[in-house]
Amino acid sequence: QQQVKQSPQSLIVQKGGISIINCAYENTAFDYFPWYQQFPGKGPALLIAIRPDVSEKKEGRFTISFNKSAKQFSLHIMDSQPGDSATYFCAARRTGNQFYFGTGTSLTVIP
Amino acid sequence: NAGVMQNPRHLVRRRGQEARLRCSPMKGHSHVYWYRQLPEEGLKFMVYLQKENIIDESGMPKERFSAEFPKEGPSILRIQQVVRGDSAAYFCATSTSTVNTEAFFGQGTRLTVV
Repeated sequence: QQQVKQSPQSLIVQKGGISIINCAYENTAFDYFPWYQQFPGKGPALLIAIRPDVSEKKEGRFTISFNKSAKQFSLHIMDSQPGDSATYFCAARRTGNQFYFGTGTSLTVIP
Repeated sequence: NAGVMQNPRHLVRRRGQEARLRCSPMKGHSHVYWYRQLPEEGLKFMVYLQKENIIDESGMPKERFSAEFPKEGPSILRIQQVVRGDSAAYFCATSTSTVNTEAFFGQGTRLTVV
């Protein structure tokens, strides 16, 4: 079964707007939650990650919000730019085990 | 993630041939994960290896697929008797240890079976 559920599948945002991508998980043993960005023809690149002992992590225009009780986490991209257009994957992992990935969100930022 | 090297970048095989995909981890990385990505789909876990050991192969088909990560040299994902359905992008990711949990991806190998 899908260990990490991601939505939406695709997202179109106006330049300057906020892009929000959501993920949910079931396994409470997960202890690491990264987000990856993938451009066409390239491998996924680590964007930002969070551990469950914090509720929010911000790096530049990218913020992860983490709700441990709801078992949900989300990626917010502030002031979205056309260069942010890519596919975004959330993931979750329990130490010593594999990474489980969401199905991806294709983000298009229109000028 | 440029430090994780995968080769070849593109591989074309006829049905029934063998495909060998290589992944050289970043320096100091001893954990390797292989994923398959079909067009417009997410990353499907295949196998997780540490040096000389397979830790988790629950995502790998039982037939025709195998993986290794020898003490020396790259990790190899081997697909025997390829079929058209094996056409996909195959990515490896590597990390240093289970404590430092960042994983970095290679650029992938795009396998086309004709």
